[in-house]
Amino acid sequence: GENVEQHPSTLSVQEGDSAVIKCTYSDSASNYFPWYKQELGKRPQLIIDIRSNVGEKKDQRIAVTLNKTAKHFSLHITETQPEDSAVYFCAASVDSSYKLIFGSGTRLLVRP
Amino acid sequence: EPEVTQTPSHQVTQMGQEVILRCVPISNHLYFYWYRQILGQKVEFLVSFYNNEISEKSEIFDDQFSVERPDGSNFTLKIRSTKLEDSAMYFCASSLQAATRSFGPGTRLLVL
Repeated sequence: GENVEQHPSTLSVQEGDSAVIKCTYSDSASNYFPWYKQELGKRPQLIIDIRSNVGEKKDQRIAVTLNKTAKHFSLHITETQPEDSAVYFCAASVDSSYKLIFGSGTRLLVRP
Repeated sequence: EPEVTQTPSHQVTQMGQEVILRCVPISNHLYFYWYRQILGQKVEFLVSFYNNEISEKSEIFDDQFSVERPDGSNFTLKIRSTKLEDSAMYFCASSLQAATRSFGPGTRLLVL
């Protein structure tokens, strides 16, 4: 079955710097890759997603890139702010499947 | 914006007891899911439900677990005989298509 690896497990950056979180997946049939932000004690919130027919997607300070050949995708946050501090999860699924497999999470800390 | 709701927010139970976790998905959504998150770990898929039947389940979802959509609005997860290791945050989610999921706020289950 699908397995999603996520790195790093923790990331500390200075406010204003960029943050990059990377994920790899094992099932070449996976074609949907969302990213979720989870603040302490809260629900996971979808922040951006990408499908395998697209190599990059951007939404303001957040971007996601996908390399299908290498089976990895990355989240890029530019001009980080303290409110970006949270745990970020990548995930992968096959459109025809109902199962969304999550990575292990990255705890991002943005230092003011 | 409509959101998935869950009750109760917290549940404490004795080992061996049955618990029922309740969810109200977003009203026009067709796919329903349960996930769990053990403290400090990743979100894990339990089960998906579509067209009044289980469409997919993980190896975690054994005979102790069951799901039901008893009426047009609620979606429940029942754990028949709870074990200590069932202690976790349980998230319900729903989606219009089998892709973008909206998560509920979660039920924190503690088994003593």
